[in-house]
Amino acid sequence: AQKITQTQPGMFVQEKEAVTLDCTYDTSDQSYGLFWYKQPSSGEMIFLIYQGSYDEQNATEGRYSLNFQKARKSANLVISASQLGDSAMYFCAMSAGMDSSYKLIFGSGTRLLVRP
Amino acid sequence: ETGVTQSPTHLIKTRGQQVTLRCSSQSGHNTVSWYQQALGQGPQFIFQYYREEENGRGNFPPRFSGLQFPNYSSELNVNALELDDSALYLCASSLISYLNQPQHFGDGTRLSIL
Repeated sequence: AQKITQTQPGMFVQEKEAVTLDCTYDTSDQSYGLFWYKQPSSGEMIFLIYQGSYDEQNATEGRYSLNFQKARKSANLVISASQLGDSAMYFCAMSAGMDSSYKLIFGSGTRLLVRP
Repeated sequence: ETGVTQSPTHLIKTRGQQVTLRCSSQSGHNTVSWYQQALGQGPQFIFQYYREEENGRGNFPPRFSGLQFPNYSSELNVNALELDDSALYLCASSLISYLNQPQHFGDGTRLSIL
């Protein structure tokens, strides 16, 4: 069965510094997708970045990059130049399913607090 | 482009009651998924709808049911509410259901059971 593990319940980072949020996954599928979402206190899940299992290059989206190490089954999120607005819960997720029916499996999340 | 909208924002019910939550998908998206997020946990998949048919279901009992309408909006119905049903219910839509398609979420409905 597929599983996402996020081992950091909480993280602190100083404003303008970079931070890495850890994510490891477990799957026997050859094809899969990995996602990161941000959840502010308001509750909305905001899509940040996607990495496909066959993508050879790490995904980047603005200040977000995904450090994908397939052999280690890890997909860590790197946020560069942290801002106060980055304080939120961050969830790693994996697409699971077959044919035209895919769901997201989420980890337990990491709460990031950016200090001024 | 209109995003995913959910209603109501908050809801308080008592045990044994029934509840209906509503979701309008993002413009152009024909697939809607529902998730339950208990306090301090990640979202758990309830079920997905595609072209008005259930297109996958998670480990939730039959008292959790849903509908999708021709305009791709969706409802989540929960019967015989239990205390453990207290959670944030998130609706997400996507262009199609495929492994590389991000799902776009609404703000959620916070359901409290007394």
